[in-house]
Amino acid sequence: QAQLVESGGGVVQPGTSLRLSCVASGFTFSAYGMHWVRLVPGKGLEWVANIWDDGSKKNYADSVKGRFTISRDNSKNVLFLQMNSLRVEDTGVYYCTRDSVMDVTNWFDPWGQGTLVTVSS
Amino acid sequence: DIQMTQSPSSLSASVGDRVTITCRASQSISTYLNWYQHKPGKAPKVLIYAAFRLQSGVPSRFSGSGSGTDFTLTISSLQPEDFATYYCQQSYTTPMYTFGQGTKLEIK
Repeated sequence: QAQLVESGGGVVQPGTSLRLSCVASGFTFSAYGMHWVRLVPGKGLEWVANIWDDGSKKNYADSVKGRFTISRDNSKNVLFLQMNSLRVEDTGVYYCTRDSVMDVTNWFDPWGQGTLVTVSS
Repeated sequence: DIQMTQSPSSLSASVGDRVTITCRASQSISTYLNWYQHKPGKAPKVLIYAAFRLQSGVPSRFSGSGSGTDFTLTISSLQPEDFATYYCQQSYTTPMYTFGQGTKLEIK
């Protein structure tokens, strides 16, 4: 079945960078839009960024625009999130998830298990 | 931006109880509303999409209703495995999906 596995999280200082990866299996990766969502302590789930199936279009939450970059390698079934100029408020568990579509409605399924990013001095 | 507000923020209930969680959108979103279940350390899981459509494999004790701005998730008879945090999500303004703040369902 469809599966997503994230990696790349860690403990970093403010102002530094981190690159997250998400390996997809069990489905035709190149046929789906993909998203990053984070679980922020005390705040819940926050949508971070998405990328179209062919990588041609990307969108970002205002809170990460200009600092984060989403990308994908469809030849290797991998989704990336390059995070620069990290802030304490970027701390959280980062999930990759697939865009599921029926007619004109969308939802996220499946999700990975998440990778923890801690930004602290 | 569309804001999603869930109530209550936390809820204590017993096995066998009927539980209802409410989600309100700051503007009409038709039926572009999804519900997710999240347990600590696990991947979030979609329960309901398009306001009332049950995701394949999800037990029928879960149901969703509503349209416009007001939505509910109902669990007809709580089971031990249902204790988790539940989130609503609007998919009206794709791709800038927004989530509710979550409802933590705890054992009484």
